[in-house]
Amino acid sequence: DAGVTQSPTHLIKTRGQQVTLRCSPISGHKSVSWYQQVLGQGPQFIFQYYEKEERGRGNFPDRFSARQFPNYSSELNVNALLLGDSALYLCASSKLAGAGAYTQYFGPGTRLTVL
Amino acid sequence: DAKTTQPNSMESNEEEPVHLPCNHSTISGTDYIHWYRQLPSQGPEYVIHGLTSNVNNRMASLAIAEDRKSSTLILHRATLRDAAVYYCIPLRDTDKLIFGTGTRLQVFP
Repeated sequence: DAGVTQSPTHLIKTRGQQVTLRCSPISGHKSVSWYQQVLGQGPQFIFQYYEKEERGRGNFPDRFSARQFPNYSSELNVNALLLGDSALYLCASSKLAGAGAYTQYFGPGTRLTVL
Repeated sequence: DAKTTQPNSMESNEEEPVHLPCNHSTISGTDYIHWYRQLPSQGPEYVIHGLTSNVNNRMASLAIAEDRKSSTLILHRATLRDAAVYYCIPLRDTDKLIFGTGTRLQVFP
């Protein structure tokens, strides 16, 4: 089975631009979460979506938004990019949501560079 | 959210066992203890998780203290591929993984 896939692999944008990152979960997985990993730090939780509804949101500004489609794929949008948004953006999927017992499977990430 | 404390770094020689400790003294009775690792230039990878009993899988073993205030991830025979940052993460009724600083494991040939 294919793992979690993310596109694009790398992206370079300039300050003030907008970016859309895409994630396809493992087949049969209904939950998708997004994380931001700045160089030298652990990943930080941004959003979780389950069955197309937002289940959780981390401490990120409103410039960050996401959505989940009927096929459970997801997009992360970031508006008005800042230099500090440069990071590796990770997507993770799991079969179900909640209960703290479900394994999450991470994709390889999208490396975003803001100039 | 339960706080965790892990050593910043540990070293091992190849084919030796490695015991990675984690203190989570504020854990609640319903928190699962998850371990993930992140190899260089890759996304995090699930290793193992447990609630109360010790757990084994093909990658590792998880030993949970009786009071659940600490746990130890055991790699039975370290390989070079096990060099990574290991994160101990308590989870309760949520999928929100809170990654701390983790333990950077170096494995020497």
